[in-house]
Amino acid sequence: NAGVTQTPKFRVLKTGQSMTLLCAQDMNHEYMYWYRQDPGMGLRLIHYSVGEGTTAKGEVPDGYNVSRLKKQNFLLGLESAAPSQTSVYFCASSSVGQGTGNREQYFGPGTRLTVT
Amino acid sequence: DAKTTQPPSMDCAEGRAANLPCNHSTISGNEYVYWYRQIHSQGPQYIIHGLKNNETNEMASLIITEDRKSSTLILPHATLRDTAVYYCIVRVAGAGGFKTIFGAGTRLFVKA
Repeated sequence: NAGVTQTPKFRVLKTGQSMTLLCAQDMNHEYMYWYRQDPGMGLRLIHYSVGEGTTAKGEVPDGYNVSRLKKQNFLLGLESAAPSQTSVYFCASSSVGQGTGNREQYFGPGTRLTVT
Repeated sequence: DAKTTQPPSMDCAEGRAANLPCNHSTISGNEYVYWYRQIHSQGPQYIIHGLKNNETNEMASLIITEDRKSSTLILPHATLRDTAVYYCIVRVAGAGGFKTIFGAGTRLFVKA
């Protein structure tokens, strides 16, 4: 099992450009999440999905959109990148929603995004 | 929503036990305590979780106080590879969806 993979690993964008980050998991997990981590800070939840075709907002959703067309994939889109979106983005998946409290999340290696 | 408070950093000698504290005084009855760690810039790694009882696995032990307002993660024999940021997390199910509250974590330095 590859676990959770993220594409790309690094990306540099100019302000106003758009891009999509891809997250894929091969563990047949129902739930998937996107987080961002800024220097010296913990992770903040951007969006999450409880199943194919469903998405919901997390703590910091503004400026991002997501889609879950296939169970194994969760896409994070930036329509018009801003310097404030410079961050490391982590994707995660779990077999049961985090609200139930009895399943851990598996994280990907991260995508480092710089917006100039 | 329950929040956690952790010391910003701690040191531990290699081979000794590392005891990482966490306060979660506003935790509610159905909320679990999870611990994750993040080594360098990698994705966080699950360590252990618990509700009321103490828990132990191959990586660590989790001690939760009887009133559940605080907990301690114990790495019994710390190694240099345990140097990382350790996050204490309380799972919440907020109105309208799920939330994960990550604190700033504790940066553990294991020294030879």
